[in-house]
Amino acid sequence: EPEVTQTPSHQVTQMGQEVILRCVPISNHLYFYWYRQILGQKVEFLVSFYNNEISEKSEIFDDQFSVERPDGSNFTLKIRSTKLEDSAMYFCASSDMTAIYSNQPQHFGDGTRLSIL
Amino acid sequence: GENVEQHPSTLSVQEGDSAVIKCTYSDSASNYFPWYKQELGKRPQLIIDIRSNVGEKKDQRIAVTLNKTAKHFSLHITETQPEDSAVYFCAASYTMDSNYQLIWGAGTKLIIKP
Repeated sequence: EPEVTQTPSHQVTQMGQEVILRCVPISNHLYFYWYRQILGQKVEFLVSFYNNEISEKSEIFDDQFSVERPDGSNFTLKIRSTKLEDSAMYFCASSDMTAIYSNQPQHFGDGTRLSIL
Repeated sequence: GENVEQHPSTLSVQEGDSAVIKCTYSDSASNYFPWYKQELGKRPQLIIDIRSNVGEKKDQRIAVTLNKTAKHFSLHITETQPEDSAVYFCAASYTMDSNYQLIWGAGTKLIIKP
């Protein structure tokens, strides 16, 4: 069964540095998402991406964050000037075609644990 | 915007008994309600989902019910087994244009006692 893959599995970074989290969505999926889960808390939506542009973003997704699809397979989340509170598990997800009344399931990767020191 | 409340936060049941987790949502326009199971340190995995045009859906020991009028939906696990121990999250889709974001509940830690 095809899977969403994420790299690295764990990233340790000094506060103030930039990090790039990488994701390879399922190959025939068209919608991509980033979520964040602070340890022991709920999963929080960050951003969705379709047709090479952001579809939606949450209040969390401020100017510190950006996403990119640099080629036909990768989907990246960049976090600039990292802060201690950015420490969390970051999940990438992808889904097939969606329409207003035909939402398709989102499939998640294993996540990247980001630790800011 | 959408808000999803989930109860209880922790549920401990005897192996073989049933477990029920309940969620409520606020936006009547939400029309897709998945349930995810997350084992410690692992990805959320979709276990069952339901759309707003259906009142109940079943898959072996797992069932989900939806009450659109009351805006609540529930996960039912029968004949619980040790491997059912995990954190379960409900979610609701908040639809905007042709895309949607999932708004998640806070999670329920399910403990199956042997």
